[in-house]
Amino acid sequence: LAKTTQPISMDSYEGQEVNITCSHNNIATNDYITWYQQFPSQGPRFIIQGYKTKVTNEVASLFIPADRKSSTLSLPRVSLSDTAVYYCLVGDKSYNTDKLIFGTGTRLQVFP
Amino acid sequence: DVKVTQSSRYLVKRTGEKVFLECVQDMDHENMFWYRQDPGLGLRLIYFSYDVKMKEKGDIPEGYSVSREKKERFSLILESASTNQTSMYLCASSPRSTTGGQERKLFFGSGTQLSVL
Repeated sequence: LAKTTQPISMDSYEGQEVNITCSHNNIATNDYITWYQQFPSQGPRFIIQGYKTKVTNEVASLFIPADRKSSTLSLPRVSLSDTAVYYCLVGDKSYNTDKLIFGTGTRLQVFP
Repeated sequence: DVKVTQSSRYLVKRTGEKVFLECVQDMDHENMFWYRQDPGLGLRLIYFSYDVKMKEKGDIPEGYSVSREKKERFSLILESASTNQTSMYLCASSPRSTTGGQERKLFFGSGTQLSVL
């Protein structure tokens, strides 16, 4: 059973804002939502993490609605170097929440 | 910066060999994880450990074992390598939560691309 659901792929152009939504209907009550970025032949890299409402850092913003059943990663003004796979990660209350299992991720392709 | 070091970037082994993949982290993290990553399947959790000498199975533990004798080191062992274990293996570590919540800030190594012939 998938814990998270994300679009498989997205395309964008340089300078545009990109929003990637992750569905996590069964998120554990005390669990955070974390997003990672992965380039080919590298391990995933932490981008941003939040529990509720909105979080912003120098790289991205994370929007979390009140019911916390989904989250949206927002990348402002993407560049070619943002081409990567993006994963959201949550703990599912149906499972051992120490089992940090990733979904299949969203492959973002940025065009010139 | 946190550093997670995996002993080999590329490894080629033969079917039936016993294979050791080593992972060392330098930030005194309690939690350590082993994932494998295959095209189209994302990252799949093999084993994890939340303390020295403690281990728990992930989603795909069959054919693997782990060892955590010291806090900074987490080893993945392929008892008898098979061709279907050809994959990218990723080690990660994370600190224990300090807020009572389940924070998910994992730090990954660069991975070991294992080929079993």
